[in-house]
Amino acid sequence: GAVVSQHPSRVICKSGTSVKIECRSLDFQATTMFWYRQFPKQSLMLMATSNEGSKATYEQGVEKDKFLINHASLTLSTLTVTSAHPEDSSFYICSARPLRSASYNEQFFGPGTRLTVL
Amino acid sequence: AQSVTQLGSHVSVSEGALVLLRCNYSSSVPPYLFWYVQYPNQGLQLLLKYTSAATLVKGINGFEAEFKKSETSFHLTKPSAHMSDAAEYFCAVSANSGGGADGLTFGKGTHLIIQP
Repeated sequence: GAVVSQHPSRVICKSGTSVKIECRSLDFQATTMFWYRQFPKQSLMLMATSNEGSKATYEQGVEKDKFLINHASLTLSTLTVTSAHPEDSSFYICSARPLRSASYNEQFFGPGTRLTVL
Repeated sequence: AQSVTQLGSHVSVSEGALVLLRCNYSSSVPPYLFWYVQYPNQGLQLLLKYTSAATLVKGINGFEAEFKKSETSFHLTKPSAHMSDAAEYFCAVSANSGGGADGLTFGKGTHLIIQP
């Protein structure tokens, strides 16, 4: 149980285009999903917190107009990288917190999406 | 605000030897602490977690960690390294906010190398 999927696993796009990444909780409902970014050989940095039915909360320094987050259902959150540029190339990982969750901030991570912008 | 420091970006041990990966945290509130493992081009797998219950926490694959408040540490150990343990290990912290949902703050990671 507690499986989180991401689609696509890899994407290559041209500079200036937009890319949508999906994060799904497959066997549980998630009121909160998180989006992280990981540069090569570096740690994960929290980008934003996504709550179902409300606007995402972005971390300082993350452009909300560039990284559009939609959490339209209890099992799906999407991250759209708009007008992508080579510096947006990174590994994007989502996590999901179950609706009925233990108190310790339980989160389950997706396998990640490798974005390469040419 | 929270932060995590992992000492040693690379740790190399021989197969069968003790594994010790260091993690120190800073938190203005009681923390939850986590260790995750990441294999190349994959997401994160939870090894173990500290949630204010027992200070010695046992996880999967023979790993364990001890929460030491006085030292603000949460070091990860395994008595005998296996080749399959070679991976990137991340220590993470979040606030113990009574069931709230907070993003995790991660350390920079430690790359564990197992020598045959």
